Amino acid sequence: DQQVKQNSPSLSVQEGRISILNCDYTNSMFDYFLWYKKYPAEGPTFLISISSIKDKNEDGRFTVFLNKSAKHLSLHIVPSQPGDSAVYFCAASASNDYKLSFGAGTTVTVRA
Amino acid sequence: NAGVTQTPKFQVLKTGQSMTLQCAQDMNHNSMYWYRQDPGMGLRLIYYSASEGTTDKGEVPNGYNVSRLNKREFSLRLESAAPSQTSVYFCASTGLGNTIYFGEGSWLTVV
Repeated sequence: DQQVKQNSPSLSVQEGRISILNCDYTNSMFDYFLWYKKYPAEGPTFLISISSIKDKNEDGRFTVFLNKSAKHLSLHIVPSQPGDSAVYFCAASASNDYKLSFGAGTTVTVRA
Repeated sequence: NAGVTQTPKFQVLKTGQSMTLQCAQDMNHNSMYWYRQDPGMGLRLIYYSASEGTTDKGEVPNGYNVSRLNKREFSLRLESAAPSQTSVYFCASTGLGNTIYFGEGSWLTVV
C-alpha cells in the first residue's frame, strides 16, 4: 500500500512556463518531505526538501509547498527549462524513522 | 568526490543464478540502503542498515540478502535469481538528517 502517491505519471510544459508537480501522502506520521530528480541511466539526486513546521520552502527556481491538513505537497518549477526534463520523485519520512517512502514518479518534459 | 559507488552497472543473469551487487560510500554515513525501481512503482526499499553491524528488512526483502561489511560497504545478494527480480537497483546512504544520496544504479536482467 503506497503511502506516497504521485497521481500524474507525466507532465508536458512549454519552456519558460511553470511546472507544478503534485504529491499526496497518507501517513500522518510523516514530517519531512523531499523531492528527487532523476535523469535516465543516473541515480536520483536530491532537489529540495521541507519540514512539517513550514508550509513553503524556496530554492532558486524550485519551490515546495506543504499543506499538512490535506496531506498534500507540490513542487513548482519557474521558469521551466529544457534541462528540467526528468523524472521527479516525491518522498517522505517520519522523524523517528530515517527510511524514505517514495512516490511512483512524474516524468516532466519541457518543450522548447 | 565518489559519493556512492555501486557495481556492476549492468548484469544479465539466468534464472537460478546467484550474484552480489556491491556498494560503497565515502561520506562516512551511518545508514545505507538498497532500493529497486520498477516502472510505475517508484523506488521501493529492499533492505537497509542503520549502522555498521545492523541490517533490517524493507518493503520488498524476499529473495534478497544483505551484508554490511563495514561502515563503507553494503552488499545485496540474490541467491537464486528470478525474472521478477529484473529491475534497476540503487544503493544509497545518509548521514545526519534525512537526505539520502544515491548511487548511479545497477541494471539487472534475469532471463
